Amino acid sequence: SQELEQSPQSLIVQEGKNLTINCTSSKTLYGLYWYKQKYGEGLIFLMMLQKGGEEKSHEKITAKLDEKKQQSSLHITASQPSHAGIYLCGADKGGGSQGNLIFGKGTKLSVKP
Amino acid sequence: DARVTQTPRHKVTEMGQEVTMRCQPILGHNTVFWYRQTMMQGLELLAYFRNRAPLDDSGMPKDRFSAEMPDATLATLKIQPSEPRDSAVYFCASGLVLKSGGGANSPLHFGNGTRLTVT
Repeated sequence: SQELEQSPQSLIVQEGKNLTINCTSSKTLYGLYWYKQKYGEGLIFLMMLQKGGEEKSHEKITAKLDEKKQQSSLHITASQPSHAGIYLCGADKGGGSQGNLIFGKGTKLSVKP
Repeated sequence: DARVTQTPRHKVTEMGQEVTMRCQPILGHNTVFWYRQTMMQGLELLAYFRNRAPLDDSGMPKDRFSAEMPDATLATLKIQPSEPRDSAVYFCASGLVLKSGGGANSPLHFGNGTRLTVT
């Protein structure tokens, strides 16, 4: 079965610093989704990547999917306290035929002001 | 802003009691998912429905968990009897799944979850 491994598990950065979170799949990714979760709340959709080599940006967050479609990275530029939370990557299970996602265990990001 | 609504937000109950969690998916979404989140296991898929029909509930302990979708605006997850190991946050998510195979679908939208504590 497909598994998603995220690294690092947790990260503490100083405000203004850049950071990268990685998500590695044991199988080819047909759709890779990045979500953010704050404590006590649900998951908020950030970005979706589908094609090998694809890159998307929203404000100061950039996500990439490698050419082989087995690894994705999430990069935050000039981090702010509002970026703090848990970042989860999710992937379409079964080649995207059913819509159900499996998730990595998340990366907990803390940003020190 | 359309959103998935879950009730209750918090539930504390004693072992052996019945627990029912409710979810109102986003109008127009054809697929509803139930996930459970714990520190140890992360997010696990319990069951999901397409056009109200159950597609897969292999992630659920069948002897005590049941999931239903009595109409398009309501999905329920029931635990009877509840056990301390069921303590977790239960999320409902909905999405519009159009593709029959291959490729990526539109993203899932999650509710804020029901935090269940079984003592």
